[in-house]
Amino acid sequence: DQQVKQNSPSLSVQEGRISILNCDYTNSMFDYFLWYKKYPAEGPTFLISISSIKDKNEDGRFTVFLNKSAKHLSLHIVPSQPGDSAVYFCAASARNNAGNMLTFGGGTRLMVKP
Amino acid sequence: EAQVTQNPRYLITVTGKKLTVTCSQNMNHEYMSWYRQDPGLGLRQIYYSMNVEVTDKGDVPEGYKVSRKEKRNFPLILESPSPNQTSLYFCASSLWDRTEAFFGQGTRLTVV
Repeated sequence: DQQVKQNSPSLSVQEGRISILNCDYTNSMFDYFLWYKKYPAEGPTFLISISSIKDKNEDGRFTVFLNKSAKHLSLHIVPSQPGDSAVYFCAASARNNAGNMLTFGGGTRLMVKP
Repeated sequence: EAQVTQNPRYLITVTGKKLTVTCSQNMNHEYMSWYRQDPGLGLRQIYYSMNVEVTDKGDVPEGYKVSRKEKRNFPLILESPSPNQTSLYFCASSLWDRTEAFFGQGTRLTVV
């Protein structure tokens, strides 16, 4: 059973508009959440993260929101640009003696149309 | 340049022929791990290592082996590959106290 889910496999947005990517998790032990971006033929690259003690983290055009009671997080991209077209993975981490294990969602392919 | 390097990038092999995918990082990271990416399933962790000579199973370890004899290297070994191991593989590294992992460019493996 997947502990981190991204229910939208794809999303299409017009350039300049907002992109909202969603992620749900089931494990209450997760205390750190990350978003990764992946272009074809490249490895995932870290985009933004949020600790469970916060409900919002902003970095330029990217903002991540965390709703712990709903076990839901979202990534907002404003304004969206064609270069943002990629696959976005949500990931979660639970600090324990086993180290920094990341559990990933299935990914959402974002297409930003010019 | 800080990076994680995997080799080879592409590999086609036959069932049962042992292979090794190498991974090396130049950031002096303690933590390294291997993931496989399959459609709709995201990235699933195969094995991880918290430091030299310390390795442990991730979510999908069956059919794989790893070793961590040096801090910078973390090879993935498939002793007897099978077609269900056809996948895209990523190596990653991070500092012990950070979870922002750096990923290699990936190895696309096809087992026929």
